[in-house]
Parts: sequence; C-alpha cells; structure tokens
Amino acid sequence: ELKVEQNPLFLSMQEGKNYTIYCNYSTTSDRLYWYRQDPGKSLESLFVLLSNGAVKQEGRLMASLDTKARLSTLHITAAVHDLSATYFCAVLEYTGNQFYFGTGTSLTVIP
Amino acid sequence: DAGVTQSPTHLIKTRGQQVTLRCSPKSGHDTVSWYQQALGQGPQFIFQYYEEEERQRGNFPDRFSGHQFPNYSSELNVNALLLGDSALYLCASSLADRGRKLFFGSGTQLSVL
Repeated sequence: ELKVEQNPLFLSMQEGKNYTIYCNYSTTSDRLYWYRQDPGKSLESLFVLLSNGAVKQEGRLMASLDTKARLSTLHITAAVHDLSATYFCAVLEYTGNQFYFGTGTSLTVIP
Repeated sequence: DAGVTQSPTHLIKTRGQQVTLRCSPKSGHDTVSWYQQALGQGPQFIFQYYEEEERQRGNFPDRFSGHQFPNYSSELNVNALLLGDSALYLCASSLADRGRKLFFGSGTQLSVL
C-alpha cells in the first residue's frame, strides 16, 4: 500500500517568514496534489503536479515535484495570517484511481 | 454552477444502527468517490463509483456499501455502526479520466455514541 508522509505535522510561523512543507511517498506515482482545508470546512484543491520537475505557483505558495526522490514540497513565502489552515498532499496510485492522502500539516501564521 | 453537495451535514447515531449519506456531484461530473476523515487525519479512500458501479474500493469492511444513480448522485451506507466509524465523510466528484482533480463536498459529520 502506498504510504504518504508529511512533515512537519504542526507548523507555527510568524508573518513574513518563509517555510517549506515536505511530502514523501513510498512507491511510484506520476501525479501529486496539494489541498487546503480550513477548520470545519472541506478540502480545496491548490495544485496538481503531473510530471517530474513540475513547479506550480499561486500567490505566496509554490509546489514542486521530484518523482525520482518521491518528494513534493510546498513552499510558503512571506506568510500571512490568511494562509493558516491544514495542508494535505495526495498521491494517485500509479495504476489505479485511488488517492492516498498524507496526515496533513497544520499551519498557524502568527501576526 | 452548484458544487458538490452532501446531506445531511451532521448525524448522531448509536452503535449497531445503520446510516445513509447522500452526495450530488458537481455539474458535468460522472464519478463519485467517498472518503472517511477521522479527527486529525487525512482522508482515507472508501470507494469510487462510475457508471453506477463500484470501480475501486479501499481497505474498508463490507459494512460500507454504496450506490450510484443514473443522475450520477451517490449514497454511502454504513451498517452495524461502531464507535470507530465516527468521522467526517467526504464525497468528491470528478470526471472519469484517471487522475482528474477531485472536487470535495463539505462533508457529513457522523457521531456514533
């Protein structure tokens, strides 16, 4: 079974600082997704990464994928309070339709 | 354009009871997946329905069953509820092609007492 690990699990950072969330997965996959979840809400899609070396950016968030290392990163630049949420990475198994989610990174941005 | 809608939003049941959760996919989507999200965890795949059939199933017991209707809406049924079934149940819709982005509903919070 495909395993997805995220770290850190909890992240408290000051506004204006930079930080990176890491997502490692255990077996071959060609697609990785990042989602955001606000407390009590559903999941909102942030990025879809489809190939090795893919990089996507939206505002203060940038995601990248290294399929050889089985690693994706979500980089936060100059954090603002509105980015406080839980971030999940999800990996699509190589030959099927099942998404495997990480345990999430709970991000709190402190003014 | 309506997104993914789920009902009810909250449910309280007792052990041994049965529950049915409902989902209407985003307009234009033909595939529905169900996920269980325990508190503090990531969503876990239960199963996926396409063309009214279960296309793939995760590691969940047979107590979890589902159905998809001709209009693509779907139901999740859980029999013989256990305390451990307490979770947020999320429905996600997508197009049928492999790897299409999932669009999630707001979920049904199930509490089993």
